Amino acid sequence: NAGVMQNPRHLVRRRGQEARLRCSPMKGHSHVYWYRQLPEEGLKFMVYLQKENIIDESGMPKERFSAEFPKEGPSILRIQQVVRGDSAAYFCASSPTGESVGSPLHFGNGTRLTVT
Amino acid sequence: AQSVTQLDSHVSVSEGTPVLLRCNYSSSYSPSLFWYVQHPNKGLQLLLKYTSAATLVKGINGFEAEFKKSETSFHLTKPSAHMSDAAEYFCVVSDPRMLIFGKGTRLHILP
Repeated sequence: NAGVMQNPRHLVRRRGQEARLRCSPMKGHSHVYWYRQLPEEGLKFMVYLQKENIIDESGMPKERFSAEFPKEGPSILRIQQVVRGDSAAYFCASSPTGESVGSPLHFGNGTRLTVT
Repeated sequence: AQSVTQLDSHVSVSEGTPVLLRCNYSSSYSPSLFWYVQHPNKGLQLLLKYTSAATLVKGINGFEAEFKKSETSFHLTKPSAHMSDAAEYFCVVSDPRMLIFGKGTRLHILP
């Protein structure tokens, strides 16, 4: 059973370009979470999605960032007009249920975004 | 609101000696707590979890953690460190819709 798959593993973008990060959850998991890890920091919650629905986006920056989890295909985290401060590791996690209480999340290996 | 504080950003121990990584939590209700490990350029792996059953929780790779409500602590221990334990360790508390991470403790193993 494949784990959470993220691609690309590394992504380099120039300032002003767009970054698209993909996440395929574990088989049978319909809940996806995106977290961001800045250097020397722990992971910070960004957004929680179910298929075709955003459940909680309280951790998402108000501008330039968007996320989707369509009925078919992977979840996409999109960052428009990237700036140097967006450089970070972005982790996707999935779970079979929507309640994280008592349920650990399964994390992917992350996408490391570098903005030059 | 839930939060975790990892008291040490770096811990160094010699191979074969005990490991102690400290974590204190704050929660308005009975929390679920986890320890995750992150090896360089890798994803996060769950070491162990506490969900209000036994207060002493055994995890993978010989790690264990004890939930102490009176001290609001959930420290991670291992009797004997191995070189392969060198990694970043995160203490995590659950919130109904997300996991809240501590800032991490980097564990260095000295030969």
